[in-house]
Amino acid sequence: RKEVEQDPGPFNVPEGATVAFNCTYSNSASQSFFWYRQDCRKEPKLLMSVYSSGNEDGRFTAQLNRASQYISLLIRDSKLSDSATYLCVVNTGRRALTFGSGTRLQVQP
Amino acid sequence: GAGVSQSPSNKVTEKGKDVELRCDPISGHTALYWYRQSLGQGLEFLIYFQGNSAPDKSGLPSDRFSAERTGGSVSTLTIQRTQQEDSAVYLCASSPQYLLGFFGPGTRLTVL
Repeated sequence: RKEVEQDPGPFNVPEGATVAFNCTYSNSASQSFFWYRQDCRKEPKLLMSVYSSGNEDGRFTAQLNRASQYISLLIRDSKLSDSATYLCVVNTGRRALTFGSGTRLQVQP
Repeated sequence: GAGVSQSPSNKVTEKGKDVELRCDPISGHTALYWYRQSLGQGLEFLIYFQGNSAPDKSGLPSDRFSAERTGGSVSTLTIQRTQQEDSAVYLCASSPQYLLGFFGPGTRLTVL
């Protein structure tokens, strides 16, 4: 089993839609969680950290469910510019971060 | 301000040759990571440096791969006797602490 698993998608949604991605992790001792965004042929960039209490940044909401070992990312009012691959990232106890394979989102006009 | 820089941006080499990839982290960042990403795939951890501690080499796929970090700053990833399966984008990231990283633009390696 992979340490971090994501549905690869693609998720094709119309502009203005709300879309949610989940990511599961296998190591119950994991402490830190992040969502990164990666545009085609570009490097990943930090989108937001995920806190135990859940957190929101504009149209983006991240949540953590430790009991079920998953994190989620909700995007409201999708924009064309949200089209990208969203990478779930977990500190699994090793000192480096473990990345999921990513979920591809395509927002359509 | 200056971000993480990597060179070269693209490298084409012949199978069996050695290559060196360079990463200049953000000044003052103590943590430096190397990852690689094959086409359409996720990021694969290679090696991690944190300050003066021994590097975490647990992700290096074979003994053909090695990395150094000189003076706690610049890092070089060396791949000896390159193989076609080594073709990927090699990404370097640095961080002021180990929890998150700022990525460089990557080096796209193509082994013919």
